[in-house]
Amino acid sequence: EPEVTQTPSHQVTQMGQEVILRCVPISNHLYFYWYRQILGQKVEFLVSFYNNEISEKSEIFDDQFSVERPDGSNFTLKIRSTKLEDSAMYFCASRRTGALEKLFFGSGTQLSVL
Amino acid sequence: DAKTTQPNSMESNEEEPVHLPCNHSTISGTDYIHWYRQLPSQGPEYVIHGLTSNVNNRMASLAIAEDRKSSTLILHRATLRDAAVYYCILRDGSTGNQFYFGTGTSLTVIP
Repeated sequence: EPEVTQTPSHQVTQMGQEVILRCVPISNHLYFYWYRQILGQKVEFLVSFYNNEISEKSEIFDDQFSVERPDGSNFTLKIRSTKLEDSAMYFCASRRTGALEKLFFGSGTQLSVL
Repeated sequence: DAKTTQPNSMESNEEEPVHLPCNHSTISGTDYIHWYRQLPSQGPEYVIHGLTSNVNNRMASLAIAEDRKSSTLILHRATLRDAAVYYCILRDGSTGNQFYFGTGTSLTVIP
């Protein structure tokens, strides 16, 4: 079965540094998402993306965050100036067109901000 | 945000059926009931979804109350691989974009 691929699996950075988390969604999917999960907490919605623009974002997704689809296959999440509280597992997800299409999630990138 | 209530944890013996409940008393007419699960150290994965009628697939069954204010995910024979956090999620069938996870039920399967 096709899958969503995320790289790197682990990322360690210093506070204040910029990080880019990368995702390759399933090839015929058009809707893309980022979620995060702080250790021991629930999965939190960050942003959804369709047709080269953000379709919805949560209050967590502030000006420090941005998303981009730089080419036909990658979908990235950038955090401009990381904070300690950005340490979390970040999941990318994608789905086909259709309001009830299921989400396919990647295995996540564990971000550690020191 | 998420509008569902689930028990924090449940236990089941291996090879026995498991019934995971979910309350969603404020469900609207266009909300579909979705279930996802998250195995340890993995991203969430789709399990099943339904609107009004009970649903079956190769992974599980979904029983939906007649008033739709509650539902139950049924694993017919729990295996050790079914140990995961199970999330019950309401998803608007007219837009489909919002997708919020609650705290879920952590299922432990006892050998």
